[in-house]
Amino acid sequence: EAQVTQNPRYLITVTGKKLTVTCSQNMNHEYMSWYRQDPGLGLRQIYYSMNVEVTDKGDVPEGYKVSRKEKRNFPLILESPSPNQTSLYFCASSPTGQGGNTIYFGEGSWLTVV
Amino acid sequence: AQSVSQHNHHVILSEAASLELGCNYSYGGTVNLFWYVQYPGQHLQLLLKYFSGDPLVKGIKGFEAEFIKSKFSFNLRKPSVQWSDTAEYFCALGGFKTIFGAGTRLFVKA
Repeated sequence: EAQVTQNPRYLITVTGKKLTVTCSQNMNHEYMSWYRQDPGLGLRQIYYSMNVEVTDKGDVPEGYKVSRKEKRNFPLILESPSPNQTSLYFCASSPTGQGGNTIYFGEGSWLTVV
Repeated sequence: AQSVSQHNHHVILSEAASLELGCNYSYGGTVNLFWYVQYPGQHLQLLLKYFSGDPLVKGIKGFEAEFIKSKFSFNLRKPSVQWSDTAEYFCALGGFKTIFGAGTRLFVKA
């Protein structure tokens, strides 16, 4: 089954404790990205990757890091989480970065930073 | 700068009522426009998309959207909503930095 899998789905952590949210897709997609969803703000892109070893900042990259060492994986790293990073995070992929491609989303990861 | 705006943040309808959700975009080039739906507790999934051809696009579950270039709009419509259409709906402008609107929460009363 074609899917985007992210883990953990739910996490409560403390300020400053590094964490990683993993993301994996099994569709051989070139393009992957991370979004955060906040009430009234819709989805905002954090980082995206056009292909292996190619990453770039989205609209809200501050406080986040990513890496793309393999085509299928695109982890999101919070080096020193802060309460304003409490949010719902979605990993997504699409065949390429071209505008007409459908985006496939993961199930979401609820992150709370206390 | 590219942007997407959705006019209604919350909509409440009774079953069988007609639905129209507004979406306007700002972009000067060739557009690829999407509507995604997020049912309660689930991830976003594609409802329909437009990238060329017939400006009236039909999607899943009886939804359709009309691209009006002169108005920079891509409104979502459904003639008769059901309780199961309760969800949040996002309009998006496609690209390597896809831009989403803030979303419209639809609640359909049974």
